[in-house]
Amino acid sequence: QVQLQESGPGLVKPSQTLSLTCTVSGGSISSGGYYWSWIRQHPGKGLEWIGYIYYSGSTYYNPSLKSRVTISVDTSKNQFSLKLSSVTAADTAVYYCARGITISKRFDYWGQGTLVTVSS
Amino acid sequence: QSVLTQPPSVSGAPGQRVTISCTGSSSNIGAGYDVHWYQQLPGTAPKLLIYGNSNRPSGVPDRFSGSKSGTSASLAITGLQAEDEADYYCQSYDSSLSGSFYVFGTGTKVTVL
Repeated sequence: QVQLQESGPGLVKPSQTLSLTCTVSGGSISSGGYYWSWIRQHPGKGLEWIGYIYYSGSTYYNPSLKSRVTISVDTSKNQFSLKLSSVTAADTAVYYCARGITISKRFDYWGQGTLVTVSS
Repeated sequence: QSVLTQPPSVSGAPGQRVTISCTGSSSNIGAGYDVHWYQQLPGTAPKLLIYGNSNRPSGVPDRFSGSKSGTSASLAITGLQAEDEADYYCQSYDSSLSGSFYVFGTGTKVTVL
């Protein structure tokens, strides 16, 4: 059973960079056929896909966030990470990491999510 | 940015049937991309409920069913139960001149009366 777990600061100051890591267990992040994604959910709102990374390091980001997002992977640790720069209060959300299946473009495993609040 | 539209809420009595619509456009559902559905219980992460328009992952009761037609999709819950009270989201893929990305619906809260 694949499990994903987000970790990182729960509070980030405005204009700083939000950094989160997702640790994958029960399966190898180097397995082909999966896009390792970040998705966020603003309080009381819907879901927004942020971007994904393939184990090879190739990335693809939501055009609306592309200028501020960097996703990286560390296959030796079975982890992938999110960096979101120049954050504002509008970036306050629960951030989820998830495994996406490339062919069907669905997300079959999700982390429990972590709330990140942007505030001074 | 939700480009898939869902009704904000639906409700039904135990045992009844409810349906949730998911309306897209020619750049997502209408372009042939599959629709998937997720159930989000309060305070938890979304869970894959239906994939590939109408398929259920192992362990999902057959009370849940999905369909797709044209630029829309639907999720039906028959024999509604108290534990079905949750938020439901559709998801697909959108590809247009502005870029390609995964898209989610606006979400529907199901209330069991």
